Amino acid sequence: GNSVTQMEGPVTLSEEAFLTINCTYTATGYPSLFWYVQYPGEGLQLLLKATKADDKGSNKGFEATYRKETTSFHLEKGSVQVSDSAVYFCALSVQGAQKLVFGQGTRLTINP
Amino acid sequence: EAEVAQSPRYKITEKSQAVAFWCDPISGHATLYWYRQILGQGPELLVQFQDESVVDDSQLPKDRFSAERLKGVDSTLKIQPAELGDSAMYLCASSLEGWSSYNSPLHFGNGTRLTVT
Repeated sequence: GNSVTQMEGPVTLSEEAFLTINCTYTATGYPSLFWYVQYPGEGLQLLLKATKADDKGSNKGFEATYRKETTSFHLEKGSVQVSDSAVYFCALSVQGAQKLVFGQGTRLTINP
Repeated sequence: EAEVAQSPRYKITEKSQAVAFWCDPISGHATLYWYRQILGQGPELLVQFQDESVVDDSQLPKDRFSAERLKGVDSTLKIQPAELGDSAMYLCASSLEGWSSYNSPLHFGNGTRLTVT
């Protein structure tokens, strides 16, 4: 089946630190990959996406590269800010399945 | 920017009671989704509509849950009777492109947090 596994949280970093949140996937087809972010008290927002191997999605200083050979889509940011504190969800969608499958989420806290 | 509207924001109900949630998607969005998010977990799809038709309700507990989108616009999700294990965040989402375009990003509402006592 289709599934997403994210690194265990919570993750706590200091401001300006480098961030990596690991995400690996299993898919029966050729998936599109997404990162969604959920700020406190809000719904999920699309952060970035990639639709084919070696594509790099980027937004707001965050990046993730679709690695087919390692079935991974790790989220990175060079210098985090307090405002990046949120829960981050990796997700995939496979043509024919027509739905997003989410990982369990990783809570990120950035301390000033 | 247009948003997906959900109400109520919070709902507390006793077990065995009926509860209903409402969602108004972004105007023009043909596809509407209801997800359930248990605390500490990722959202799980309950039901997906294309216009007024259900295209996936395989994970919907049909003995107690029902969903409708009568005119292909807003939607209602109902639970009757509610159980303690139904306590969760219920998220509605919509997308512009139809279900045949699986790359279409979802736009989520802020959710309804249900507590069953």
